[in-house]
Amino acid sequence: AQTVTQSQPEMSVQEAETVTLSCTYDTSESDYYLFWYKQPPSRQMILVIRQEAYKQQNATENRFSVNFQKAAKSFSLKISDSQLGDAAMYFCAYRSEVQGAQKLVFGQGTRLTINP
Amino acid sequence: NAGVTQTPKFRILKIGQSMTLQCTQDMNHNYMYWYRQDPGMGLKLIYYSVGAGITDKGEVPNGYNVSRSTTEDFPLRLELAAPSQTSVYFCASSLLPGAEAFFGQGTRLTVV
Repeated sequence: AQTVTQSQPEMSVQEAETVTLSCTYDTSESDYYLFWYKQPPSRQMILVIRQEAYKQQNATENRFSVNFQKAAKSFSLKISDSQLGDAAMYFCAYRSEVQGAQKLVFGQGTRLTINP
Repeated sequence: NAGVTQTPKFRILKIGQSMTLQCTQDMNHNYMYWYRQDPGMGLKLIYYSVGAGITDKGEVPNGYNVSRSTTEDFPLRLELAAPSQTSVYFCASSLLPGAEAFFGQGTRLTVV
């Protein structure tokens, strides 16, 4: 079964600085998708960025970028120029591509605090 | 734009009672999911569905049941509620495996 591990329960960063959140996953599949979701205190789940496993190029969305290392099964999220609004729980997620088993599995989350 | 709608938003159950958490989406998504999120923790997959009539167990299915008779609806049934089922429940849906999953606002359930 696929598992997702986020080894940093909490992280903090100074406003305007850069922070990297770690994520590793375990799978025997070659095709899959990876996601980072943000959950602010409102509880709403918001997609931050996604990556297809077959793409070697790392995904980027404005201040958010990933470092996808397929062989190492690592998928870290880098937030540049951190803003107060970035404070939230961040969840890494894995989505299988196997027909009939496309479940979406989440890691335990990392609570990010932004210090002004 | 309704998206994914969950009802109720809050509920208190007594031990041994049963209830159904409703989830409906108006985006014609095939894939639907139910998660529970305990305080300060991640989302654990309870059940998921890849289309009408097809459901499968996730990581923590015990004590729950689901059905998927239509594309739009994916209700979650709790039988014989237990305090361990106190949690926030999220329903989500997506069009394709690699597409963004859209989440409902969550249902906060307390079993006393």
